[in-house]
Amino acid sequence: KAGVTQTPRYLIKTRGQQVTLSCSPISGHRSVSWYQQTPGQGLQFLFEYFSETQRNKGNFPGRFSGRQFSNSRSEMNVSTLELGDSALYLCASASSGGYTFGSGTRLTVV
Amino acid sequence: QKEVEQDPGPLSVPEGAIVSLNCTYSNSAFQYFMWYRQYSRKGPELLMYTYSSGNKEDGRFTAQVDKSSKYISLFIRDSQPSDSATYLCAMNSGGSNYKLTFGKGTLLTVNP
Repeated sequence: KAGVTQTPRYLIKTRGQQVTLSCSPISGHRSVSWYQQTPGQGLQFLFEYFSETQRNKGNFPGRFSGRQFSNSRSEMNVSTLELGDSALYLCASASSGGYTFGSGTRLTVV
Repeated sequence: QKEVEQDPGPLSVPEGAIVSLNCTYSNSAFQYFMWYRQYSRKGPELLMYTYSSGNKEDGRFTAQVDKSSKYISLFIRDSQPSDSATYLCAMNSGGSNYKLTFGKGTLLTVNP
């Protein structure tokens, strides 16, 4: 079966712009989580959605937001981009068997 | 003190060696423990998923959890060059907590 699909794979944005990343979970999975991965901080939890409701939020500023649609697909948005937002953004879909990650979107802010 | 500590390595071993990777944690509420493998420019791939204390084996991989010591391990037997990757431990408390807390990862190189 298809895995977790994230688009786009790579993005280059300018400081101050906003960006939207997309994630399609494994078919049948209703929980979607987002993580930021940087060399300095490792993987850090952003937020988690289930059936269009945010159930958990990590310790990130309000510039980071997300949503989930009725088909379980999820988007995350970062507004007013800063250089420090450059990272690999990973989406995971969850079932009783654990969390499966996508390949991520590598965002570079210049 | 970080919630999850993991030696970043790097760790370099010859092909065929037994590899031991470890994490310690401070949150006694953690009940679910995972090991992920991440190749360069890829997302993490789930290797092992265990609940509470004990051992779990899957092929060349064995995961051990000692909740009394707040210590988890991943053993790789007969290591192969294809095992060269970053290994990440992750854990959560379950229930209404849907957040995974990760170690920083250990970079492993298996030399032919």
